[in-house]
Amino acid sequence: QSALTQPASVSGSPGQSITISCTGTINDIGSYDLVSWYQLHPGKAPKLIIFEASKGPSGVSHRFSGSKSGNTASLTISGLQAEDEADYYCCSYAGSSTFSVFGSGTKVTVL
Amino acid sequence: QVHLVQSGAEVMKPGASLKVSCKASGYTFSDYYMHWVRQAPGQGLEWMGRINPNSGGTNYGQKFQGRVTMTRDTSISTVYMELRSLRSDDTAVYYCARAPNTIFGLVTFDYWGQGTLVTVSS
Repeated sequence: QSALTQPASVSGSPGQSITISCTGTINDIGSYDLVSWYQLHPGKAPKLIIFEASKGPSGVSHRFSGSKSGNTASLTISGLQAEDEADYYCCSYAGSSTFSVFGSGTKVTVL
Repeated sequence: QVHLVQSGAEVMKPGASLKVSCKASGYTFSDYYMHWVRQAPGQGLEWMGRINPNSGGTNYGQKFQGRVTMTRDTSISTVYMELRSLRSDDTAVYYCARAPNTIFGLVTFDYWGQGTLVTVSS
């Protein structure tokens, strides 16, 4: 099972909005609304920021939003802030055989 | 408050076996699956498998089938991940991560351990 495809890097200025795509197949994203997104800062454990494709955990900024269409999930960060500079990974359920697959990761840079 | 505390860093020889622990606190241990995810240097996250702390049932990633075993000790709310026949490309940070025991929580890893750095080198 190959990793889900994400852009290697995305950048934006403070206050702007950016969107990170996560492209899979009919075997994963295309078949299930079970997509989650994680934020990774260097040296720290991953943090859940979106689950079930579009739901935000309590305590996570509402500037993070998720969506899904077909085989592609997306994460949008609104009102970009310096603290959003991090790596972001998507993850999808991929059926009982493969179970779970992560994206290739996207480095977000705040200009 | 939920805490997942992992065992410390390890330096291993190729061919050896590794066992990492993850002690849970702050919630009902049996109510959540525990998953293991690793990140090699400069690489992305990679799902390894999961264990049902209630039944001990496991699911493993195809890449790790036959080389990984996940177990638990409910008396001390701890799960273990053993990886055998270590190779240099097993060098990575290994994380345990909790996920709800529901159909919708299959890949919702809501709490993570601090990570365990494993270095495989001769």
